[in-house]
Amino acid sequence: GAVVSQHPSWVICKSGTSVKIECRSLDFQATTMFWYRQFPKQSLMLMATSNEGSKATYEQGVEKDKFLINHASLTLSTLTVTSAHPEDSSFYICSAETETLAKNIQYFGAGTRLSVL
Amino acid sequence: SQQGEEDPQALSIQEGENATMNCSYKTSINNLQWYRQNSGRGLVHLILIRSNEREKHSGRLRVTLDTSKKSSSLLITASRAADTASYFCATIRGFQKLVFGTGTRLLVSP
Repeated sequence: GAVVSQHPSWVICKSGTSVKIECRSLDFQATTMFWYRQFPKQSLMLMATSNEGSKATYEQGVEKDKFLINHASLTLSTLTVTSAHPEDSSFYICSAETETLAKNIQYFGAGTRLSVL
Repeated sequence: SQQGEEDPQALSIQEGENATMNCSYKTSINNLQWYRQNSGRGLVHLILIRSNEREKHSGRLRVTLDTSKKSSSLLITASRAADTASYFCATIRGFQKLVFGTGTRLLVSP
């Protein structure tokens, strides 16, 4: 149980285009989903927290208009990187949490590697 | 920054040896967690230890917590090549938010 699917696993795009990343909880309903960014050999940095049906809460320094988060259902959250530029190239990881399984424990997707040319 | 520090940053051992990783954090906690990340993948939850616990075991994993020193350690006994990964400690900040440590990259050679 507690499987989180993230898609795509790897995407290459041209500068100026937008990219959408999906995060789905497959066998549970996620009360909260999280989006992280990770640079090579570094730790995860939280970008935003999203609850179903409400606006995402962004961390300080994360551009809301650049990284659009939609959490339309209890099993799906999407991150759209708008007008991507080479500096947006990174590894993006989502996670989901539900108190019905375990409080404070997050279940992670496999990540999406974004390369912007 | 509230990010925790882990040491060592990298650890290289032979199969069968034990691996010990340490984590220090800055604020009071209710619990501390350890996660594992295989290269280029997401994280997998390993173990959670509550602030009123001093030691916890799960299979070949042993976690200790010293709240007076704001530190935790993860011991992997009888390591295997498949244990090669990065290991992160994490604490809760505010409501639900996990703050991850800097991570330890473990390499277990056959």
